[in-house]
Order: sequence, then C-alpha cells, then structure tokens
Amino acid sequence: GDSVTQMEGPVTLSEEAFLTINCTYTATGYPSLFWYVQYPGEGLQLLLKATKADDKGSNKGFEATYRKETTSFHLEKGSVQVSDSAVYFCALISGNTPLVFGKGTRLSVIA
Amino acid sequence: SQTIHQWPATLVQPVGSPLSLECTVEGTSNPNLYWYRQAAGRGLQLLFYSVGIGQISSEVPQNLSASRPQDRQFILSSKKLLLSDSGFYLCAWSPDKYNSPLHFGNGTRLTVT
Repeated sequence: GDSVTQMEGPVTLSEEAFLTINCTYTATGYPSLFWYVQYPGEGLQLLLKATKADDKGSNKGFEATYRKETTSFHLEKGSVQVSDSAVYFCALISGNTPLVFGKGTRLSVIA
Repeated sequence: SQTIHQWPATLVQPVGSPLSLECTVEGTSNPNLYWYRQAAGRGLQLLFYSVGIGQISSEVPQNLSASRPQDRQFILSSKKLLLSDSGFYLCAWSPDKYNSPLHFGNGTRLTVT
C-alpha cells in the first residue's frame, strides 16, 4: 500500500539556520503530496502542497518540490525562526483513499 | 469559507465511562469526514472515515465507534473508555474531490484516568 517515510526527529537548529526535512513516498497511481505543520497543543495545518511531478509548493518561506524520479518531497527553509518550532508531517493522497501520513518530525529552533 | 468545529477541547474521563466527541463542518456540502488519534510522541492514526451520511469505514478495530447522523456532523463514541484511549483526537474534512487535502479541527485532548 501507499506509505510515507520521513526523517526521524527531533531536529534542533539555531535561528537563521537552513532546514531540510526529508520525505520519501511509495504510491500507486499519481498522488498529491502535502506538508502539514502542528504547533504545540493545536491541530494540523496544511503548510504546502504539490499535485504533480516537478511542482513546487511554497508557503511562509517553506518550499518542497515533487520529485517523481526520486519519489521525494523534501521540506526546506532557508532561515528558520523560533516560531517555526513545531511538528512537521509529510503526507500523500492518491485517488479517494484517506490521506497517508508520515510519523512526523519535531523541529526545535533555539535563539 | 469552510470551517470545522471540534469539541470539547480537553476532557478528563474515568476508566469505564462513556465518550462522545463531536465535530461539525460549515460552509460545504457532502464532505469526507475523518477521525484521527495522536498518542503522545507518536504519529497520526486514522480511526474512521466517512464519505456520506451513515457510511463509516473503520481502520482500526477497538472499543471506539463513529457515526454520521447528518451530512456535516461526525461523532466519535465509546461505551467504556480504557486507559489506552488517552490521546489527542483530531477531526478533519476534505472536499469530495480527487486528491484533495484534509483540513483539521483544533483537536480534543482526552485523558482517561
């Protein structure tokens, strides 16, 4: 079945550091890919998405490119802030099946 | 615009007591509805999803159940809670369209004592 694998956390970075959170997927068909963010004590928010190969999703300084050849959707940000501290989930959906999530990566940014 | 409401925000219940968590969606029709659970320090586990009134798919067998009495209402229930039912419960909806993302409520923190 479909699955998502993302890097284990936690990830701890200093403010203004470069962020990469790796995500790879296995899916049949043509999935759409997503990154969600969960701030402490809150629900999940959709951060960005890409619906086809080579699409780049971007939002709030975060970017991720749908790479079909490597089945990857890595999340990047050039300069993280303390307010980016959260748990990040990579996810995919293919057709009408429910969204499949990775296990989440906790990011802590220290000043 | 569409909004999703989930309540209560926090709940402390004794073992063996019943549970009812409610979720409603506004501003859309015939949404797909979902219940997820997030145990402490762990990922998201899909519990139930529904593509229409009275249509419930269960992903994980356990002592929880779900119902969809109205188009935009999704209820998670239990007759007798277990300690292992503690966690963060998230309701979500998506449009009934191909490859649509989910939109989540703010969650319910359930502690079973």
